[in-house]
Amino acid sequence: GENVEQHPSTLSVQEGDSAVIKCTYSDSASNYFPWYKQELGKGPQLIIDIRSNVGEKKDQRIAVTLNKTAKHFSLHITETQPEDSAVYFCAAPTANQAGTALIFGKGTTLSVSS
Amino acid sequence: NAGVTQTPKFRVLKTGQSMTLLCAQDMNHEYMYWYRQDPGMGLRLIHYSVGEGTTAKGEVPDGYNVSRLKKQNFLLGLESAAPSQTSVYFCASSHKLTNYGYTFGSGTRLTVV
Repeated sequence: GENVEQHPSTLSVQEGDSAVIKCTYSDSASNYFPWYKQELGKGPQLIIDIRSNVGEKKDQRIAVTLNKTAKHFSLHITETQPEDSAVYFCAAPTANQAGTALIFGKGTTLSVSS
Repeated sequence: NAGVTQTPKFRVLKTGQSMTLLCAQDMNHEYMYWYRQDPGMGLRLIHYSVGEGTTAKGEVPDGYNVSRLKKQNFLLGLESAAPSQTSVYFCASSHKLTNYGYTFGSGTRLTVV
């Protein structure tokens, strides 16, 4: 099955700086890579995703890049703001005869100080 | 439109007791999932279902059972609770066409003493 590793586990930046979170996956057949944001006391929310047929995707201040050869993908947040403080999870799909489901990384706690 | 609703939100159990966590979604999603979240461990998949009457094991299925008798409901059961099952449990659902666009519930915090 799929194995997803995420680094770093914690990240502290100053407001306005950029933040980068990296994930590696093990299954070369994986073709979809989402990022979720979890605020305190809430469930995770999808913020951006990328499919294997593209190398980069942007949505305002966030972007995701994918390197299929190296089997890693990254989340980039530019011009960070205090409201970006949260736990971020990457994920990749695992599949068996019963269907598919997402396997998540262990999460990165991002703290943005003003 | 409530999305994904989990009940209860909090529960304290004694070791050996049983309970059922309920997940209900009103988006007509085909797929539903149960995850547990523990400090430093991220979200780990317990069981999932790709349709009414079907279930599959995830990464950490031991000690849990599930049922999907109705499309909108996915139940997670603990037959004999153990302290190791103290965790925050999240349910999620997704449409078969988007597949991976998960909508999560707000979680159930379970403590087993």
